[in-house]
Amino acid sequence: AQSVTQLDSQVPVFEEAPVELRCNYSSSVSVYLFWYVQYPNQGLQLLLKYLSGSTLVKGINGFEAEFNKSQTSFHLRKPSVHISDTAEYFCAVSEGGTGGFKTIFGAGTRLFVKA
Amino acid sequence: NAGVTQTPKFQVLKTGQSMTLQCAQDMNHNSMYWYRQDPGMGLRLIYYSASEGTTDKGEVPNGYNVSRLNKREFSLRLESAAPSQTSVYFCASSEARAGVKGDTQYFGPGTRLTVL
Repeated sequence: AQSVTQLDSQVPVFEEAPVELRCNYSSSVSVYLFWYVQYPNQGLQLLLKYLSGSTLVKGINGFEAEFNKSQTSFHLRKPSVHISDTAEYFCAVSEGGTGGFKTIFGAGTRLFVKA
Repeated sequence: NAGVTQTPKFQVLKTGQSMTLQCAQDMNHNSMYWYRQDPGMGLRLIYYSASEGTTDKGEVPNGYNVSRLNKREFSLRLESAAPSQTSVYFCASSEARAGVKGDTQYFGPGTRLTVL
């Protein structure tokens, strides 16, 4: 069975500093990997996703993530964060097939960007 | 193009009361989902509808029922609300076309439900 572990529940960081949000998954088959962002009092929206091909995936707002199959990780990074990046970030894994009902979400990482 | 809309935004119920959460999408998506979000637990799937006319249980279906009214609308009903159902509820939809992998889900703004 697939599962997702987000290793940090909260990450405080100063503005313009780099940040990495960590995500590990377990699955016995090939997976598709996602990062979603939830701004305060809003629904989730897609940041980026890995389906196949290049292991470095670029998303919106300057975020990128690297798929590492041997370490079963999909960490999210940004070289320089802004106050507006303060949000909750969810890693998700899907074991494929059509439709999102096989998608499992992690518990979330709350990113606080301080001035 | 409104995306996914949910009503109401907020609701307070007393234990034992019933209510229906409404969700609609205007993206012609095939699949729709209901999740609940609780602190430290991420999103948990309550029910989903893979296509119009079908519904299936997710991870936490107890105490809930759903109706896929048509391709656009997917409602969630609490028949007898309990304090344990205090949560934020999100509706989502996805294209789910055959052969398309890695389906992106599009979320509504959520309903904050408190059961006293």
